[in-house]
Amino acid sequence: SQQGEEDPQALSIQEGENATMNCSYKTSINNLQWYRQNSGRGLVHLILIRSNEREKHSGRLRVTLDTSKKSSSLLITASRAADTASYFCATDEGYQKVTFGTGTKLQVIP
Amino acid sequence: SAVISQKPSRDICQRGTSLTIQCQVDSQVTMMFWYRQQPGQSLTLIATANQGSEATYESGFVIDKFPISRPNLTFSTLTVSNMSPEDSSIYLCSVLGGNTEAFFGQGTRLTVV
Repeated sequence: SQQGEEDPQALSIQEGENATMNCSYKTSINNLQWYRQNSGRGLVHLILIRSNEREKHSGRLRVTLDTSKKSSSLLITASRAADTASYFCATDEGYQKVTFGTGTKLQVIP
Repeated sequence: SAVISQKPSRDICQRGTSLTIQCQVDSQVTMMFWYRQQPGQSLTLIATANQGSEATYESGFVIDKFPISRPNLTFSTLTVSNMSPEDSSIYLCSVLGGNTEAFFGQGTRLTVV
């Protein structure tokens, strides 16, 4: 079964705007990760936030984690057309098992 | 990080046939993971492949349908057997880094006709 439920399922914004995606999960985790997938290809790891961290930044990416609510958000600032992709959260539940969420399809319109 | 080479990148196969997907990693890893991604869906773990032992399959996946080989610490194959149109998906191999971040091959887009 899927660990992460993401919303929205799809998001369309203008270039330059910010994009926010949310992920909710069900059980305790060691860390939460975000990935990008372009056109059904392999996923690319973007950022990892540990269970004892609340916020993390990497370039135009900002991730928050609220373990009390079992939720995370990914913010992409100043979006570009090249950011058009599907974004997945993934949770590390331990025992070398990473489970992927349902994904958000982002379209950035030039 | 790890670099993973997966092939073929895509194939169109007749129903009832089998396809073997290869995955080569540029470093030695204990576990390799095989995922299926059905059209418009998320990734579902098929099995975990350990070198020197049988693969561990997730619920809903069986060895007869998805036999896996893991002959050494850098290579694995997944076979999709007796294919039907429902097997049309993207198949992905993956390994984990030191922080459990996942590295993926480019995927194999399979269409069964």
